[in-house]
Amino acid sequence: NAGVTQTPKFRILKIGQSMTLQCTQDMNHNYMYWYRQDPGMGLKLIYYSVGAGITDKGEVPNGYNVSRSTTEDFPLRLELAAPSQTSVYFCASKGQLNTEAFFGQGTRLTVV
Amino acid sequence: DQQVKQNSPSLSVQEGRISILNCDYTNSMFDYFLWYKKYPAEGPTFLISISSIKDKNEDGRFTVFLNKSAKHLSLHIVPSQPGDSAVYFCAARVSGGSEKLVFGKGTKLTVNP
Repeated sequence: NAGVTQTPKFRILKIGQSMTLQCTQDMNHNYMYWYRQDPGMGLKLIYYSVGAGITDKGEVPNGYNVSRSTTEDFPLRLELAAPSQTSVYFCASKGQLNTEAFFGQGTRLTVV
Repeated sequence: DQQVKQNSPSLSVQEGRISILNCDYTNSMFDYFLWYKKYPAEGPTFLISISSIKDKNEDGRFTVFLNKSAKHLSLHIVPSQPGDSAVYFCAARVSGGSEKLVFGKGTKLTVNP
């Protein structure tokens, strides 16, 4: 049981490039979330999904897109990377009966 | 505006003593409050939670207290151990379907041997 798996762990992007951060969970959780954490700050919600085919914006969605075609996968797409998107990105999932969300190990992204 | 506030960026305590981490919130629409622990280069891991209808929850060395009238919660760690050194995030769960978590900025706890 791997839990929540994020790939890659590290990435350096040039300004204007695009990339997809992958997130998969093997716990059959309905809820999935993408957060970003900037230095000295808490986690801010980018996008979330309450089930396959359903996504919604969080607090800081600009510059990102998501899709949820399966229960397991919730990729985060960055179009036209900007230095402001330099951050650590965490994916999380939560089951219907859980109080808590389970987090992946994070992806550290640097945009130069 | 910050809905969940952790006003102490850091806390240092001696091994064996009590650690008290504090958190304030402004939104009455939260149904659960959670504490997460985070080590460097790892994702947050769940520690303990409390329902908004309770005032105390205990799990081993960890106890969370909720004061709804003051919109304040605290995490007590007794006794503190060096392995408890980490960043602790207070989070509040939004009621009503999305079950989103709103996080504070975190408090870095250092437990000195």
